[in-house]
Amino acid sequence: GAVVSQHPSWVICKSGTSVKIECRSLDFQATTMFWYRQFPKQSLMLMATSNEGSKATYEQGVEKDKFLINHASLTLSTLTVTSAHPEDSSFYICSVVAGGSWEQFFGPGTRLTVL
Amino acid sequence: QQQVKQSPQSLIVQKGGISIINCAYENTAFDYFPWYQQFPGKGPALLIAIRPDVSEKKEGRFTISFNKSAKQFSLHIMDSQPGDSATYFCAATSGNQFYFGTGTSLTVIP
Repeated sequence: GAVVSQHPSWVICKSGTSVKIECRSLDFQATTMFWYRQFPKQSLMLMATSNEGSKATYEQGVEKDKFLINHASLTLSTLTVTSAHPEDSSFYICSVVAGGSWEQFFGPGTRLTVL
Repeated sequence: QQQVKQSPQSLIVQKGGISIINCAYENTAFDYFPWYQQFPGKGPALLIAIRPDVSEKKEGRFTISFNKSAKQFSLHIMDSQPGDSATYFCAATSGNQFYFGTGTSLTVIP
């Protein structure tokens, strides 16, 4: 399967600062990546679909100005949480879909804690 | 509206027993049904998946049973081991649309 990495694996920041999370597809080119958010003991909540070279598609209720997504290359998508607040503390996970298949491969996740 | 309903929410099984997790869906356009295993603090990992043209798929101790007419599918973990303790998510997909179940927390007691 595809290998997906995320950086950082965990981050602690002060309220009001911005945090960038990177998602990399290490062994194939991904035209589409997904960003999820997961609260403790809950399922994954799709935030947005990241398309290489175009604007991301956000799910209903997700603030696009707060969660900035940039998919600048076929191997890298970034999620920037702007002006983070404690309620943004969560586990953020990216995934890629292997071209030509339906399989979705997830990154290891990034734990964000906003103080 | 929950596209994929998963049960139970939590499950405790003795070592060596069979763990069974069930999922149901409504949209007949779904054409791929994966199961993911997630350990605490880690991203989900694809465990096993099935397409609707088969009724069962087995990989080692993991088996998916698929009932197209009932729009249900289930994961069976045979000879459950403490290392299987994790959260399991079913999913149903159509194209680039993925819908996840709510997850089942499995605990295998030694």
